[in-house]
Amino acid sequence: QSVLTQPPSESGTPGQTVTISCSGSNSNIGSETVNWYQQVPGTAPKLLIYNNNHRPSGVPDRFSGSKSGTSASLAISGLQSEDEADYYCATWDDRVNGRVFGGGTKLTVL
Amino acid sequence: EVQLVESGGGLIQPGRSLRLSCAASGFTFDDYAMHWVRQPPGKGLEWVSGISWDRRDTGYADSVRGRFTISRDNSRNSLYLQMNSLRSEDTAFYYCARNTIMDYWGRGTLVTVSS
Repeated sequence: QSVLTQPPSESGTPGQTVTISCSGSNSNIGSETVNWYQQVPGTAPKLLIYNNNHRPSGVPDRFSGSKSGTSASLAISGLQSEDEADYYCATWDDRVNGRVFGGGTKLTVL
Repeated sequence: EVQLVESGGGLIQPGRSLRLSCAASGFTFDDYAMHWVRQPPGKGLEWVSGISWDRRDTGYADSVRGRFTISRDNSRNSLYLQMNSLRSEDTAFYYCARNTIMDYWGRGTLVTVSS
């Protein structure tokens, strides 16, 4: 049972916008910044969004992050087949005194 | 180019010990905190441990505290994870990652704990 709650799966068609949610509490998302990672099966995770809404260089602006209260979201616009991957949110949790990940969301491009 | 290369994984019996290494290159290693993150095959990511740039601060997940020890040698640009009293539930790919935001990851090394 992950401290951060994500939907197990989401799907969309090419060109659509998909949003992945990440729900936490005051001890984590409510008081800390959120990062998002993309993992294509068989490869290492890749940083997609850091500090809630910042993109590392090289990440397309189709990817955007936001945070409100104890929840965060990752939006992917102009969905492409290459976006099919697992997505994880992560932050620090004061209660467990460590970093925590969401359970991951498998994105399928139909 | 930033590179992180893990090594030391393999098949190990329950109760035994194993030491993982992560060789870093392409950046000033002692400028950054470092982390270990693991992923059981087919499952999600779990933060294992982290260490500050100067080794003063370390942190562990409850699942490994007291059994695993993180360390680093800045003169060798290397990060380590000493894993003792291994259990079957420690079976996973182990990744090292750079920085608080984990902006770079290695390819991982697989640890299989089984008799």
